[in-house]
Amino acid sequence: AQSVTQPDIHITVSEGASLELRCNYSYGATPYLFWYVQSPGQGLQLLLKYFSGDTLVQGIKGFEAEFKRSQSSFNLRKPSVHWSDAAEYFCAVGGPNSWGKLQFGAGTQVVVTP
Amino acid sequence: DVKVTQSSRYLVKRTGEKVFLECVQDMDHENMFWYRQDPGLGLRLIYFSYDVKMKEKGDIPEGYSVSREKKERFSLILESASTNQTSMYLCASSPLAGLSSYEQYFGPGTRLTVT
Repeated sequence: AQSVTQPDIHITVSEGASLELRCNYSYGATPYLFWYVQSPGQGLQLLLKYFSGDTLVQGIKGFEAEFKRSQSSFNLRKPSVHWSDAAEYFCAVGGPNSWGKLQFGAGTQVVVTP
Repeated sequence: DVKVTQSSRYLVKRTGEKVFLECVQDMDHENMFWYRQDPGLGLRLIYFSYDVKMKEKGDIPEGYSVSREKKERFSLILESASTNQTSMYLCASSPLAGLSSYEQYFGPGTRLTVT
């Protein structure tokens, strides 16, 4: 069975500082990996995706993520955080046989301080 | 601009009531999903539909049913609402085929309170 673990429930970061959100997955085959962001009062928006190929993927809003098969991880990073990055972030995993269905992690709440 | 809309942002219902949550997408997507979102649990799939009149149970279907009579509309039904169904409900859609099927577009959510 597939599963996603986001070890950090809550992260506080200063504006301008770097941000890294952790995601570990469990999946029997080659995973498809995603990061979504949910701003206050909004639905989820896709930040970036990994299907295959280059293990460092770029997304929207200046985010990037790196797939590390040996560590079963897909961590999200941003070099310099803006106040508008305060949101909840969800990692998700799917696979070739899951027909578009995704398994989501519990989410990480990011607070940005001045 | 692509859009998934949900009929209500906030809803308050009484225990035992029948509740309908409506979702409409304008992207001609075949796949549609209903999730519930709870703090500390993330998103959990309730039901999934890949075509009109087709449905598949997700991870937590108990207490829920769905209806898809038209391609653009996917309804979630709580036959007899209970307090443990108080939650945020999110609808999403995606194309049927290929890798794009994994790129889900979400509505803004309906926060349902059952008292």
